[in-house]
Amino acid sequence: DIVMTQSPDSLAVSLGERATINCKSSQSVLHSSNNKNYLAWYQQKPGQPPNLLIYWASTRESGVPGRFSGSGSGTDFTLTISSLQAEDVAVYYCQQYYNSPFTFGPGTKVDIK
Amino acid sequence: QVQLVQSGAEVKKPGASVKVSCKTSGYTFTNYDINWVRQATGQGLEWMGWMNPNSGNTGYAQKFQGRFTITRDTSISTAYMELSSLRSEDTAVYYCARYIAGLDVWGKGTTVTVSS
Repeated sequence: DIVMTQSPDSLAVSLGERATINCKSSQSVLHSSNNKNYLAWYQQKPGQPPNLLIYWASTRESGVPGRFSGSGSGTDFTLTISSLQAEDVAVYYCQQYYNSPFTFGPGTKVDIK
Repeated sequence: QVQLVQSGAEVKKPGASVKVSCKTSGYTFTNYDINWVRQATGQGLEWMGWMNPNSGNTGYAQKFQGRFTITRDTSISTAYMELSSLRSEDTAVYYCARYIAGLDVWGKGTTVTVSS
């Protein structure tokens, strides 16, 4: 199974400042056939199901604000919130869908400083 | 609009089985895989398995092999998950989600409580 790790476990950022979350996979999720990274990012607020933010490591889902961006390739990925808003307080998860089981990272909690 | 509507909360005794439904609408059911994910209170997301509604092919996380089954009824665009031999550690919210590239649409979740 591909093991996903995230860092940090939690972070507190001032409103309007940048938040950066890292995700690492135990093996590459870059598929050579199409040069795509099978990596997604989700946001989950309390009492709600997760919400897809980013897929293919860097493609923003329709309706997701432009302040969210994804980057990285192979085994190392980053989710960046360029200017943190109050409504961004949530837990963020990465997930690989390269190989079944489609494992999730443990999550990173983002709060306001 | 695309919707996944899950069945209501369940309370089960240890050793029992539970079956949760996920009724889809707003798209062609057989065109996209369905995944099941669970989340215990205060914990992270745990991927359980997938199903191709067109072929009926499935794949399960090793942890659940032998007591977890995903099925579907294409006539009513509904997927089901069944978990047997329930134990207290299975108490969680169970989600179905549509897979395209990542899981783009989720049900609201079904709470399953296992208690004697």
